[in-house]
Amino acid sequence: ELKVEQNPLFLSMQEGKNYTIYCNYSTTSDRLYWYRQDPGKSLESLFVLLSNGAVKQEGRLMASLDTKARLSTLHITAAVHDLSATYFCAVHQGGSEKLVFGKGTKLTVNP
Amino acid sequence: NAGVTQTPKFQVLKTGQSMTLQCAQDMNHEYMSWYRQDPGMGLRLIHYSVGAGITDQGEVPNGYNVSRSTTEDFPLRLLSAAPSQTSVYFCASSSQGADEKLFFGSGTQLSVL
Repeated sequence: ELKVEQNPLFLSMQEGKNYTIYCNYSTTSDRLYWYRQDPGKSLESLFVLLSNGAVKQEGRLMASLDTKARLSTLHITAAVHDLSATYFCAVHQGGSEKLVFGKGTKLTVNP
Repeated sequence: NAGVTQTPKFQVLKTGQSMTLQCAQDMNHEYMSWYRQDPGMGLRLIHYSVGAGITDQGEVPNGYNVSRSTTEDFPLRLLSAAPSQTSVYFCASSSQGADEKLFFGSGTQLSVL
């Protein structure tokens, strides 16, 4: 059974600082997704990572995937308040039509 | 395009009542799914469908039924609501399967008293 772990679950950081969110998963998969959820809102797709070594960047966020280590990272550069949200990673369970989500990382960026 | 539309946005039920959460998409997506979101638990898959007439169970299917009579619609039925089903429910769809990017509806907040 696929397990997905994110850490940290809560992250409070100052504007301008850098930080990384980690997503570990327990079984082989070649597809990993990052989603963002604002309070009281739905989820929106940020990144789709399809292969080992994949790196995607948009603005101050950069995501990478290491399938051998079963690890994805979401790196935040020079954080700004608008990045405050909950970030989820989700991993496709190979051989199935199931996507397993991590518990999410609630990010708060303080002035 | 409206995308994925969920109704209602809010619902309060009494224990034992039944209801249907509606989900419709206008993107001609084959794959549709239902998740529930509980504090500190992330999103957990309830049921999913890979096309009209085909459904299967996810991680937490007990207490919920689904059917898929058309490509567009994927309703979630609670036959006898329980307080443990108090949650936020999200419907999501993708063009082919769970290995494609999901598009989410706006969610239904359900309280069972």
